Amino acid sequence: AQKVTQAQTEISVVEKEDVTLDCVYETRDTTYYLFWYKQPPSGELVFLIRRNSFDEQNEISGRYSWNFQKSTSSFNFTITASQVVDSAVYFCALGRGNTGKLIFGQGTTLQVKP
Amino acid sequence: DTGVSQDPRHKITKRGQNVTFRCDPISEHNRLYWYRQTLGQGPEFLTYFQNEAQLEKSRLLSDRFSAERPKGSFSTLEIQRTEQGDSAMYLCASSPARTGIETQYFGPGTRLLVL
Repeated sequence: AQKVTQAQTEISVVEKEDVTLDCVYETRDTTYYLFWYKQPPSGELVFLIRRNSFDEQNEISGRYSWNFQKSTSSFNFTITASQVVDSAVYFCALGRGNTGKLIFGQGTTLQVKP
Repeated sequence: DTGVSQDPRHKITKRGQNVTFRCDPISEHNRLYWYRQTLGQGPEFLTYFQNEAQLEKSRLLSDRFSAERPKGSFSTLEIQRTEQGDSAMYLCASSPARTGIETQYFGPGTRLLVL
């Protein structure tokens, strides 16, 4: 079965704190892709990162970083020095097969308070 | 560089009515996807086109739902005899069709409320 689990439903932090959003996935595919999307209150899903199953290198982009570990089937997302503008719902997704359709987790709502 | 656009952005209808949504993908993107998102949930895959061919449909897509992509450009999603359970955000995404799984870029969605 293909599944993505985001166990944290809601997280609240104070501005400038670091925060990690967890993502655990299940798949039997050997080739797959993992994604993170941000959904601000406006509703549009904004692409953040794409990672394939053969590339376990961690990635950093500004205040964002991602930790991919195949051994634990996890693809966690860390925001360093959070800002109020980071407040949104964040989705982790698994892309599989030749179609590329995405299987999303239930999302984590992040609230960053000033 | 225009992104994915969807029309209308909001739709309120009465139960039993038919509704049609339109999606215009990023130009030159061969693949087009429809997803449905209900409150508090992640998007769920509905169907997918490569050019004009509809290659996969989810079992979520009941007989009342139909999607088309004539000429491989824009796509329409029609819901016939709407039910209150159809109330949701309908999201469209597009991607190029190269090797592997490409990034899908999403439109702003159409929010449907069935009264």
